Amino acid sequence: EAGVAQSPRYKIIEKRQSVAFWCNPISGHATLYWYQQILGQGPKLLIQFQNNGVVDDSQLPKDRFSAERLKGVDSTLKIQPAKLEDSAVYLCASSPSGPSLNEQFFGPGTRLTVL
Amino acid sequence: AQSVTQLGSHVSVSEGALVLLRCNYSSSVPPYLFWYVQYPNQGLQLLLKYTTGATLVKGINGFEAEFKKSETSFHLTKPSAHMSDAAEYFCAVNSGYALNFGKGTSLLVTP
Repeated sequence: EAGVAQSPRYKIIEKRQSVAFWCNPISGHATLYWYQQILGQGPKLLIQFQNNGVVDDSQLPKDRFSAERLKGVDSTLKIQPAKLEDSAVYLCASSPSGPSLNEQFFGPGTRLTVL
Repeated sequence: AQSVTQLGSHVSVSEGALVLLRCNYSSSVPPYLFWYVQYPNQGLQLLLKYTTGATLVKGINGFEAEFKKSETSFHLTKPSAHMSDAAEYFCAVNSGYALNFGKGTSLLVTP
């Protein structure tokens, strides 16, 4: 089966610009996660969706970050405006039915560089 | 809050030697524990997980880990390192239905 797809793979922007990332989870997976992985650190959860509803967005910087999962399938994560400290890899993951502790399947990530 | 600490940001072993990557956890509830591996420019792949039951967990690629409640540890081992094991390894603990990851350990395997 196809894995989690993410695009773009790389993005370079200047600070104060806007950027959007796209994720297509594994077909049939109800739960979708966005993680931020700063260089030298482990991934940190930004937001978790169950179908098209938000389960946890407590660590999402809502003044600049937003995410949506329309129709409970694809998801987009947006940053507006970007700051230097947003430079990181943004990982999307999905898991089968939830909420539960099923294995999370990760996409390859989008590497964002903010200049 | 649940958290994990990985001891050693870099570990170097010779090919064929024992691999030991250390992870200690902190959890106010019975934890679910995971080890993930990340190869360069790729996402994370699950190596193994502990939920309940047998405390010695076997995973893919010859890796295993033992849950020791008394030591709050979940160390990852492999009897004989292979060059292809060179990667970043992350320990994680459940936090609600998401995961809290450690900072990772970079494994270098030398010929």
